[in-house]
Amino acid sequence: AQSVAQPEDQVNVAEGNPLTVKCTYSVSGNPYLFWYVQYPNRGLQFLLKYITGDNLVKGSYGFEAEFNKSQTSFHLKKPSALVSDSALYFCAVRDWGSGNTPLVFGKGTRLSVIA
Amino acid sequence: NAGVTQTPKFQVLKTGQSMTLQCAQDMNHEYMSWYRQDPGMGLRLIHYSVGAGITDQGEVPNGYNVSRSTTEDFPLRLLSAAPSQTSVYFCASSYRATNEKLFFGSGTQLSVL
Repeated sequence: AQSVAQPEDQVNVAEGNPLTVKCTYSVSGNPYLFWYVQYPNRGLQFLLKYITGDNLVKGSYGFEAEFNKSQTSFHLKKPSALVSDSALYFCAVRDWGSGNTPLVFGKGTRLSVIA
Repeated sequence: NAGVTQTPKFQVLKTGQSMTLQCAQDMNHEYMSWYRQDPGMGLRLIHYSVGAGITDQGEVPNGYNVSRSTTEDFPLRLLSAAPSQTSVYFCASSYRATNEKLFFGSGTQLSVL
């Protein structure tokens, strides 16, 4: 079975400060890992994904995520937060060897960037 | 390029009524899916399809039916609406089932009274 956890419901950060949104996962094999962002009254938008290779993945809007196999984590980061980054962020996982099994999403973390 | 189009955007139903949420994509995607989003619950998969004529159940399929007669369309039917089905519904698609860059519609906000 595959699962993903986002341990923080809410993250608050001051504009200009670095931000981290945490994600841990569980799969039986190797993971596909994803981050999506949801702005108010909108559908989710793809930010970035990790499949294999470099543990640091760069994505849209200046976001990046670091894959850590030993800690089974895939935390989302940005060096300098903007007020416009305020949104709901979802981590998702899928096991490589699971055929057509769909992505499993975490419960989401609400990021609030304060000016 | 319209992407994933969902209709209606808002709907209010009475308990026991039936309705169909429409989803269409114009990207020739094989994979389509329906999620519901509830506060504190994240996104939960209702049904999905890996191609025309093929559908499968997700995490919370009870009370919902789907069909996939064409590549473009993936309607979600509520057979007899219940207050527990009050939620925001999202349709999502991707090129292939194994290509998980999902494209999401803008959602349908459903209230069942």
